[in-house]
Amino acid sequence: DTEVTQTPKHLVMGMTNKKSLKCEQHMGHRAMYWYKQKAKKPPELMFVYSYEKLSINESVPSRFSPECPNSSLLNLHLHALQPEDSALYLCASRLRGDTGELFFGEGSRLTVL
Amino acid sequence: QKEVEQNSGPLSVPEGAIASLNCTYSDRGSQSFFWYRQYSGKSPELIMSIYSNGDKEDGRFTAQLNKASQYVSLLIRDSQPSDSATYLCAVGTGSYKLIFGSGTRLLVRP
Repeated sequence: DTEVTQTPKHLVMGMTNKKSLKCEQHMGHRAMYWYKQKAKKPPELMFVYSYEKLSINESVPSRFSPECPNSSLLNLHLHALQPEDSALYLCASRLRGDTGELFFGEGSRLTVL
Repeated sequence: QKEVEQNSGPLSVPEGAIASLNCTYSDRGSQSFFWYRQYSGKSPELIMSIYSNGDKEDGRFTAQLNKASQYVSLLIRDSQPSDSATYLCAVGTGSYKLIFGSGTRLLVRP
C-alpha cells in the first residue's frame, strides 16, 4: 500500500483566513515532505520532517507553518496568505529522508482570493 | 548548484511507437533516480526507480542509467494516448532533497 492521503482536495480562502492542510501516511515512512507546485513547473520543496523533527525549511515565509504531530501525520497551517500562494500543495513521504522512493499524495489545490 | 536537465518538449509520437525521454544530471555523487508521470492538474505518480547502471524493465517502461555519462532515460514501448502527460526526472544525492527536472511533455497521437 503506497498511499499518502491529503485533505482537503480543494481549498478557497481569503487573505485574512487561517486554514490547515492535512496529510497522512501509514507506510511506516519516517520522512514527510511539503511541496508547492505551480502550473507547468516542477514541485518546489518547502519543508522536510525526518523522525518528526523539522530537517529542512527552504526559506519559506512564516505565513506557512508546518507541524508533524507524529510519524504518520503532517499538517501545514496557513495564515495571511497572498494570491500568489495559490498553487497545488503536495505532501510526500519517504522511508527515510535520505533513501528510498518518494510517494506523493493527490495534493490540495489552494486558491487565495 | 546541483541540476537535472530535461527537454521540455512536447515530444510527439504516434500511437504504438517507442517514446524516449532523456535526463542529464550534474552531481556525480547521485545515487538514486526516479521517473514520475504527472497528468495535468494531478499529482506526480512514481513509475520507475533505478539505482545501478543498466536497464530496468517494468511492463512497457524501461529505465536506463549510465552513471559515467550522467544520463538517465525512460523508454515507453507501444505508446498509448493515455501515456500523454508530463514526465519528471528526479535525482537523489543521499540528502533529504530530490532534485527535479523541469519535465518533458509527451503527446501520443492516436
